[in-house]
Amino acid sequence: GQQVMQIPQYQHVQEGEDFTTYCNSSTTLSNIQWYKQRPGGHPVFLIQLVKSGEVKKQKRLTFQFGEAKKNSSLHITATQTTDVGTYFCAGPGKAGTYKYIFGTGTRLKVLA
Amino acid sequence: NAGVTQTPKFQVLKTGQSMTLQCAQDMNHNSMYWYRQDPGMGLRLIYYSASEGTTDKGEVPNGYNVSRLNKREFSLRLESAAPSQTSVYFCASSEGPRGHEQFFGPGTRLTVL
Repeated sequence: GQQVMQIPQYQHVQEGEDFTTYCNSSTTLSNIQWYKQRPGGHPVFLIQLVKSGEVKKQKRLTFQFGEAKKNSSLHITATQTTDVGTYFCAGPGKAGTYKYIFGTGTRLKVLA
Repeated sequence: NAGVTQTPKFQVLKTGQSMTLQCAQDMNHNSMYWYRQDPGMGLRLIYYSASEGTTDKGEVPNGYNVSRLNKREFSLRLESAAPSQTSVYFCASSEGPRGHEQFFGPGTRLTVL
């Protein structure tokens, strides 16, 4: 079945270093969403990408959707302790259904 | 606005017991979802309701049933709980079934002994 994989599973960085997580789908996606979950919290929507090759920025966060619409990345510049959490990507399930498939997530730990 | 609310926050069950997890949203959203989250597994969709009056299976529906009581409420029922259902359960809602951000509730932490 359809799979959405994320790498790495874990990442520890020193505060101020950059961080990137990658999301790969086994099928072409019409759109991709990114969520952040703080420790002990619930997922919170960050952004949605729709167009092939699209790049969107939110302050220190840069999101990219691949040209083939099968992969995406989230890059954080100069991480801060407030960036700690797990980052998930999510893509629509197969055509005819309305479900979203979440990636396995990347847990980010920022060391002060 | 409270957003998405879930009750209870915590629950401990014995194997074979039944219970219903409640979820309500006050954003007038059409679509609602139930996910479970296990360590290292991400979020897996149990059931969803694209609109009031419809429900569909997600990735892991076995052992669960749902009811879309009205536009606001979407409940998840475990008829005979098993230890494999120990998990954190999240309810979510969105304006529509595709291309809309999902708003998540605070979650229910369920332990089945």
